[in-house]
Amino acid sequence: GAGVSQSPSNKVTEKGKDVELRCDPISGHTALYWYRQSLGQGLEFLIYFQGNSAPDKSGLPSDRFSAERTGGSVSTLTIQRTQQEDSAVYLCASSYNTGGYEQYFGPGTRLTVT
Amino acid sequence: DAKTTQPTSMDCAEGRAANLPCNHSTISGNEYVYWYRQIHSQGPQYIIHGLKNNETNEMASLIITEDRKSSTLILPHATLRDTAVYYCIVSPKAAGNKLTFGGGTRVLVKP
Repeated sequence: GAGVSQSPSNKVTEKGKDVELRCDPISGHTALYWYRQSLGQGLEFLIYFQGNSAPDKSGLPSDRFSAERTGGSVSTLTIQRTQQEDSAVYLCASSYNTGGYEQYFGPGTRLTVT
Repeated sequence: DAKTTQPTSMDCAEGRAANLPCNHSTISGNEYVYWYRQIHSQGPQYIIHGLKNNETNEMASLIITEDRKSSTLILPHATLRDTAVYYCIVSPKAAGNKLTFGGGTRVLVKP
């Protein structure tokens, strides 16, 4: 079946502009996660959704970052007033809330802030 | 969350078994050992997980020591496509189990 999809695959934006990143999880997966991977850095957790609620937002680096999920499916990560340090690959993952809870990752969105 | 320690890198020969070690000496009783890998320019891919028994699936085998303080991921017949960064992660098996990725082991499979 279809995996996790993310759009756009690449985004170049100017410092100070807002950007929206989209994630389409695997159908039926109720849990959705956002991570980011900066150049030379490991993957870091940003936020977790259970349905449309976000019980864990502990990884969001600042109030410029926000995310929402609608209909228990698509999620959007928004970064306001982008800064150069926001440049990274933003990865989305989804999982069933049963079984092994393994997470299935999308291909990521590469964000470059100039 | 418990931390893991992995070798920074390792090479292995195509067609041979690749044994990837991981130390997790502070693992808690409710934490599982998960392995993911990340092939260049792709998102991480789930490989396998286990609690205390050895596990095998179509991709790999996972051997966990009796005291659960370390484990080994075994790729039985490495191929060039197995070249990737392999991450060993300990996490509760539960909803919302955010994964804490360390540096992983960079595995290079050579012809």
